[in-house]
Amino acid sequence: KAGVTQTPRYLIKTRGQQVTLSCSPISGHRSVSWYQQTPGQGLQFLFEYFSETQRNKGNFPGRFSGRQFSNSRSEMNVSTLELGDSALYLCASSSPSTHGWQYFGPGTRLTVT
Amino acid sequence: SQQGEEDPQALSIQEGENATMNCSYKTSINNLQWYRQNSGRGLVHLILIRSNEREKHSGRLRVTLDTSKKSSSLLITASRAADTASYFCATDFNNDMRFGAGTRLTVKP
Repeated sequence: KAGVTQTPRYLIKTRGQQVTLSCSPISGHRSVSWYQQTPGQGLQFLFEYFSETQRNKGNFPGRFSGRQFSNSRSEMNVSTLELGDSALYLCASSSPSTHGWQYFGPGTRLTVT
Repeated sequence: SQQGEEDPQALSIQEGENATMNCSYKTSINNLQWYRQNSGRGLVHLILIRSNEREKHSGRLRVTLDTSKKSSSLLITASRAADTASYFCATDFNNDMRFGAGTRLTVKP
């Protein structure tokens, strides 16, 4: 099976703009989770979607939002970008058959200038 | 917010030596997982241990879990230069995954 794919891989935006990142899970996986990774804060959980519903949410401001489509592909959106949003954004997919394992994509490197 | 704390933050050893990393967490868990990340890439899962298990092995990896102390350890035996990476523990409670800050392991050839 093809792995988790994320697009774009690299992105440069300016403060105040908004950005949309995309994640395609492994075929058959219905759960998609998003994480933000920064040197200072480590890996932080953003949210998890399962069958188009947000099932869990981390402690991020409302500027961070996401959605999941019927084909399990997911997008996350960050509005009104701040310098501190510069990070590696990782998505991971899983299914009950993976018994808790998450399979990660390569990430999207977002730089906010 | 992060759930786990890894210890040490960084570890440097010679090839052939064993590497031990520790993880402590704060809340209840269904399982605890260990992942590896090579330099700014995605994470790769290594091993999962359920809350009712105490020890698990996979190749050169050995994981222990002590739920009474809310801690876990990852042992990599006979390390290789290719094991150089960051290692993260992650706690899973009702599909809510929380990662620790990670241990940066360097294995010198």
